[in-house]
Amino acid sequence: EVQLLESGGGLVPPGGSLRLSCTASGFTFSIYAMTWVRQAPGKGLEWVSGINGIGDNTYYAESVKGRFTVSRDNSKNTLYLQMNSLRAEDAAVYYCAKDDYDGNPSRFSNWGQGTLVTVSS
Amino acid sequence: DIQMTQSPSSLSASVGDRVTITCQASQDISNYLNWYQQKPGKAPKLLNYDASTLETGVPSRFSGSGSGTEFTFTISSLQPEDIATYYCQQYDNLPVTFGPGTKVDIK
Repeated sequence: EVQLLESGGGLVPPGGSLRLSCTASGFTFSIYAMTWVRQAPGKGLEWVSGINGIGDNTYYAESVKGRFTVSRDNSKNTLYLQMNSLRAEDAAVYYCAKDDYDGNPSRFSNWGQGTLVTVSS
Repeated sequence: DIQMTQSPSSLSASVGDRVTITCQASQDISNYLNWYQQKPGKAPKLLNYDASTLETGVPSRFSGSGSGTEFTFTISSLQPEDIATYYCQQYDNLPVTFGPGTKVDIK
């Protein structure tokens, strides 16, 4: 059974940094692309970032480009999202999701339970 | 970026009713269109992919159709457990984009 478990969320002041982690199990982690999707309180889904299986191709939404960095450690079956220069509008539940393919983000067949990021002074 | 719109934004229907949600893309996305269901407080769940293929294990009352810029998602007989928000998502071009969602509840 595929399981994705996010961690690392919390309260951070504007301009601060946070690193989210997503630990995967139940599948061969290294052969699937992974993605981060966020959802602000009461709002819809927003794709944030993606990374291919071996981690040499990364993709970002314009709203986070230059501030967020996605990476993965396939030896640890873990996906990361380093978030710097956080803004109030970055506050959201962040979900990691497993793609059905390797490569560009496509369809997200498994999701974690999400981790809440709050940006406030 | 490809803009996705959905209509209606919300609907209320009776158990057993046929429910249809429309998703429109701002440009041709072929069949690169997925549908997700999100229940309150839960993560989204993939229901339908590539416009018309039902994900394994999803009840057959759900179906999707369309191509190009116009897509529909249908619940043939609404059940109480279908109360949720439904999102379409395109992956023809980066960035991946989601529709704003359609909230479905029981009348």
